[in-house]
Formats: sequence, structure tokens, C-alpha cells
Amino acid sequence: GAGVSQSPSNKVTEKGKDVELRCDPISGHTALYWYRQSLGQGLEFLIYFQGNSAPDKSGLPSDRFSAERTGGSVSTLTIQRTQQEDSAVYLCASSLAHNNEQFFGPGTRLTVL
Amino acid sequence: QKEVEQNSGPLSVPEGAIASLNCTYSDRGSQSFFWYRQYSGKSPELIMSIYSNGDKEDGRFTAQLNKASQYVSLLIRDSQPSDSATYLCAVIPWDQGGKLIFGQGTELSVKP
Repeated sequence: GAGVSQSPSNKVTEKGKDVELRCDPISGHTALYWYRQSLGQGLEFLIYFQGNSAPDKSGLPSDRFSAERTGGSVSTLTIQRTQQEDSAVYLCASSLAHNNEQFFGPGTRLTVL
Repeated sequence: QKEVEQNSGPLSVPEGAIASLNCTYSDRGSQSFFWYRQYSGKSPELIMSIYSNGDKEDGRFTAQLNKASQYVSLLIRDSQPSDSATYLCAVIPWDQGGKLIFGQGTELSVKP
């Protein structure tokens, strides 16, 4: 079946602009996770959804970052007033339930000029 | 902050050899453990999960878990050049809602 999909695959933006990143999880997966991987850095957790609610937002680096999930499916990560340090690959993963195996999408490479 | 540590690498092995990748974790209550493979420029790909002490085999891959020692390892038998990648150890701590805590990864190079 189809895996996790993310769009866009690449996004170049100017400092100060807002960006939206989209994630389509595997059908039937109730848990959805956002991570970030910066050049030379490890994978960093951002936020977790169970259904449409976000029990854990502890990884969001600032209040410029927000995310929502609708219909228990698609999720959008929004970064307002982007900064150069936001440049990274943003990865989405989904799992049947929390604590289960997570499957990653191809990621969105964000470059802030 | 929960921690997961891996050998920094790079690890170089000849084709056909066994590659051994190691990982330790700090949260004794952790219950779920995973190995991901990440090729350069690609996203992580799940290759093994393990939840109980002992060995778990899948093809050329064997994951080993020792909760008492807080240690997880991955063995790759008959290593192939296509196995050359970064291997990420990931742990779900007991009270963290399912989020993965990743190690920094070990770069494996399999030489023909």
C-alpha cells in the first residue's frame, strides 16, 4: 500500500516568510509524528498526534511553530516568520498506534535564505 | 532528556563480513527499540524492531536486546556494499507518548 507522503519535497523561502508543510500518513494509522533533521544533527522530535489531538508538543522549538491534524489523517506543520536556523529536513512518520513501529515519509527539505 | 548513544563510526567492514552496531540508552523504563537505515539524502527506513530481551532475526539482520545492561545491537551478516548507510538506533522511553529518541547514528561502509 501507499506509504507516508509529504509535500512539498523541497521548499526555498526568504527569511520572515511563513511556510506550510503537509503530511499524509499511511491509511489507518492513528498516530502521527513530526521530526526535524538538521545538517550534521540527529533526528529531533517536534510534535505527536493521536487522532486529531496533540498530547505532546514538547519538541516545538518556538511559538513560531504550530501543527494541526484534521480528520485523523492529514497534518500540516506551519512555521511563521521563518529564520535561517529553521533550515532542515522535516520528516513525518506514522504508526498504527503510539509505541508502535513508525514509518517515515520522504521529508521536506526547507531552505531559508 | 532521555539519551541514546551509538558508536560514532565510521565503521568499515569488507564485503561478506559481519557488521556489528551498538547502542546504549539511559531510560531504564524504555520498552520499544528500533533500528533504522538511512541512505544519504533519504529518509530513515525501519529495518528492525525489538521489544523483549534476547535476539530477533530477520534475514541477514539480527537485533539483540539486553534491558539489564540497557544495550541494543544490530548484526548484519554477509555485509554487502548496498548495506553502506547510516544506521540509527531509536528508543521509545516509557513515559514519552511514543516519540522516538534517536542516537546520532553510525555510518557503515562495506568495501567490495
